[in-house]
Amino acid sequence: RKEVEQDPGPFNVPEGATVAFNCTYSNSASQSFFWYRQDCRKEPKLLMSVYSSGNEDGRFTAQLNRASQYISLLIRDSKLSDSATYLCVVPNSGNTPLVFGKGTRLSVIA
Amino acid sequence: SAVISQKPSRDICQRGTSLTIQCQVDSQVTMMFWYRQQPGQSLTLIATANQGSEATYESGFVIDKFPISRPNLTFSTLTVSNMSPEDSSIYLCSVVGPYGYTFGSGTRLTVV
Repeated sequence: RKEVEQDPGPFNVPEGATVAFNCTYSNSASQSFFWYRQDCRKEPKLLMSVYSSGNEDGRFTAQLNRASQYISLLIRDSKLSDSATYLCVVPNSGNTPLVFGKGTRLSVIA
Repeated sequence: SAVISQKPSRDICQRGTSLTIQCQVDSQVTMMFWYRQQPGQSLTLIATANQGSEATYESGFVIDKFPISRPNLTFSTLTVSNMSPEDSSIYLCSVVGPYGYTFGSGTRLTVV
């Protein structure tokens, strides 16, 4: 299994739709997980951190399944401004460098 | 979170030349990292910049090609040496602090 593997994109969804991305990771010792958002020609920016079973922030929900080693990101009521690439990120351990998934591209269409 | 100033934001360079990218952080950080993002790809770690010692390079990256300096806890440079068109990428620095990982705004390098 690759270290971090994400759903292939692109996802093209209408405004208001609910969309979910999955990400699997290989390092069973990983304790924390991140979803980053990267806009075109910009640097990645932290969207959500996941340390336990899940995290919710407004329209965004991240869930962690340690037994199956996957993390999901759910976006409800999609907005045009949600269009971006979403990167699943897993540190090797502690403060060691991040391992990035290849990203899932989301396009929200009016 | 930490604020990072990365320069230059972009450059177009002739093959065979070298470019040095700088990252300045507004606070002292223990760990700084340099990533490369090739067109259409995700981020790949080049090396960890260590203060007071040599950088730690990932597989596939060597010091002769990507020399790194880390003279203090707020500053680091990455040099892309003897450039070829395959080095055309976005290069990003990153730091980890109490609030997690923060990235510089990136340097978009085109080698012609």
